[in-house]
Amino acid sequence: SAVISQKPSRDICQRGTSLTIQCQVDSQVTMMFWYRQQPGQSLTLIATANQGSEATYESGFVIDKFPISRPNLTFSTLTVSNMSPEDSSIYLCSVDLGPGAYNEQFFGPGTRLTVL
Amino acid sequence: AQSVTQLDSHVSVSEGTPVLLRCNYSSSYSPSLFWYVQHPNKGLQLLLKYTSAATLVKGINGFEAEFKKSETSFHLTKPSAHMSDAAEYFCVVIPYNQGGKLIFGQGTELSVKP
Repeated sequence: SAVISQKPSRDICQRGTSLTIQCQVDSQVTMMFWYRQQPGQSLTLIATANQGSEATYESGFVIDKFPISRPNLTFSTLTVSNMSPEDSSIYLCSVDLGPGAYNEQFFGPGTRLTVL
Repeated sequence: AQSVTQLDSHVSVSEGTPVLLRCNYSSSYSPSLFWYVQHPNKGLQLLLKYTSAATLVKGINGFEAEFKKSETSFHLTKPSAHMSDAAEYFCVVIPYNQGGKLIFGQGTELSVKP
């Protein structure tokens, strides 16, 4: 397994501002992901954070709204830009330790974001 | 497209009675399936996974799930519920040839009454 930490654990922000969420893993991993869990809902994949290249976004998510950085194999950030109350969610990062293509993912504790 | 459907949004059982959380999948290929649990204000934890080995999969905390291809099901069971089992449970599939992309079901909230 892996130990994954996220900062901040929660935040309350004003609409129109941006928040950057950090995800740190205790070992080098190839694949890192960002998910969103809206209130009372399931998890939806936002994007795959690729080291050394642009993130791969899922349908409905765009780089201008959710820019992602992946400077090395243990760290990634997700920014929620120009926030509105609809962005209030839990944001989780996860890692796939491999090898193989059908591995479980390990999740961070999440960042609970409230936008007023 | 591959997907999972959790048939119950909420299940309530009494402590010491069996637990059954239902999940059906849709897939043209033999899928990889998982069950995750999310306790209140905590992160997601893997309970068990199926990756085309044994059809009966045993997980942590006494949970197990059986892969039934003929019924396209992967139901989660536990013989005797404990109060600490109260949580949200997610059935998850990895689509064929899309390693890393988890698709989550809508979740089932399990309540355990004393």
